[in-house]
Amino acid sequence: KQEVTQIPAALSVPEGENLVLNCSFTDSAIYNLQWFRQDPGKGLTSLLLIQSSQREQTSGRLNASLDKSSGRSTLYIAASQPGDSATYLCAVDTGTASKLTFGTGTRLQVTL
Amino acid sequence: DAGITQSPRHKVTETGTPVTLRCHQTENHRYMYWYRQDPGHGLRLIHYSYGVKDTDKGEVSDGYSVSRSKTEDFLLTLESATSSQTSVYFCASRPGQSYEQYFGPGTRLTVT
Repeated sequence: KQEVTQIPAALSVPEGENLVLNCSFTDSAIYNLQWFRQDPGKGLTSLLLIQSSQREQTSGRLNASLDKSSGRSTLYIAASQPGDSATYLCAVDTGTASKLTFGTGTRLQVTL
Repeated sequence: DAGITQSPRHKVTETGTPVTLRCHQTENHRYMYWYRQDPGHGLRLIHYSYGVKDTDKGEVSDGYSVSRSKTEDFLLTLESATSSQTSVYFCASRPGQSYEQYFGPGTRLTVT
């Protein structure tokens, strides 16, 4: 059974700092890995999707990497801003109808 | 936005009563999903649909049923609500040719 772990569970950083969020998964037989953002009381917003054949994806200040063989992904956020404060979730897609297995998330707070 | 709405957004019900949650999408997406989100567990898949009248179970399907009679609507029914089904329920959808899932705003269900 696929298990997804995110460390740390919570993180507080000052504005402007670069930061890395970690995601690990137990079964390397994945189709893709997705990073989502969730604001309090809201639904999930897709940030980046990395196919199993890719090593990284970039969108603006966000860069996600994938090392499938070691079961790890990182989300790098450059020059953090207070508006980045949210919970970040990673999810792995094991292929059958794209059923996602989620981690429990990292709650990020960016302070002024 | 992928145009996914959920109704109701909040519901309080009593143990033993049936409850139906509705997910509606306007994007003509083929796949639709129901997840529940609980503290410490992240999001877990309840049921999913890969087409009209085509559904299958997810990780935590006991006590739930689904129906999809039209492409745009995916209903989740709690046959006889229990307190353990108190949760936030999210619907998601995706087109057949893409793996990216789009989430609705969620329904907060409280079973007393």
